[in-house]
Amino acid sequence: DAGITQSPRHKVTETGTPVTLRCHQTENHRYMYWYRQDPGHGLRLIHYSYGVKDTDKGEVSDGYSVSRSKTEDFLLTLESATSSQTSVYFCAISHLPLADQETQYFGPGTRLLVL
Amino acid sequence: KQEVTQIPAALSVPEGENLVLNCSFTDSAIYNLQWFRQDPGKGLTSLLLIQSSQREQTSGRLNASLDKSSGRSTLYIAASQPGDSATYLCAVRPISSGSARQLTFGSGTQLTVLP
Repeated sequence: DAGITQSPRHKVTETGTPVTLRCHQTENHRYMYWYRQDPGHGLRLIHYSYGVKDTDKGEVSDGYSVSRSKTEDFLLTLESATSSQTSVYFCAISHLPLADQETQYFGPGTRLLVL
Repeated sequence: KQEVTQIPAALSVPEGENLVLNCSFTDSAIYNLQWFRQDPGKGLTSLLLIQSSQREQTSGRLNASLDKSSGRSTLYIAASQPGDSATYLCAVRPISSGSARQLTFGSGTQLTVLP
């Protein structure tokens, strides 16, 4: 298994509070991603990073921000949590040897409930 | 916009049956297609990756095919076992500008193999 950990694994918070989720990797992979998984929607990309301090938006980035100050850590922040952000959040990593050979490795997920 | 569809959403079969899971996508301009497995409460595990130039990939009892022109992929599982019970997701990596690192996922097929 790829060395990816996510913390916390479960969190309950209240609407309007900020929340930060952490993804940590030990593989020294360049690319890191945050996805959310909701019933009927599969996984959708929130933000991704292609290097330290280099990030870009994904499909569903509104209400989220990210930071990557070190290769191994990628933080996802919900600036003011809303009930619509209740979801399971997955971090993924990849090293992209060639575009058509890339696979992504996923962390165990964080279940977030916003009340 | 690339869309990925998986039908059926759920499938239940008796142990020992051979089965086929289906995935369709709307835009044939892809780098690759992947099949993932997700166990309840866990992250995703990559099963097979088919590059755009390939027609199929095999791993043990699993065989995945890709027909880019028709926008279809199938995952064939031979001699199914209760341990194969999980949700199977397919994802494509579009050749596109913007979120070039993005995988587009289907919603998955939840497979139950009955003993």
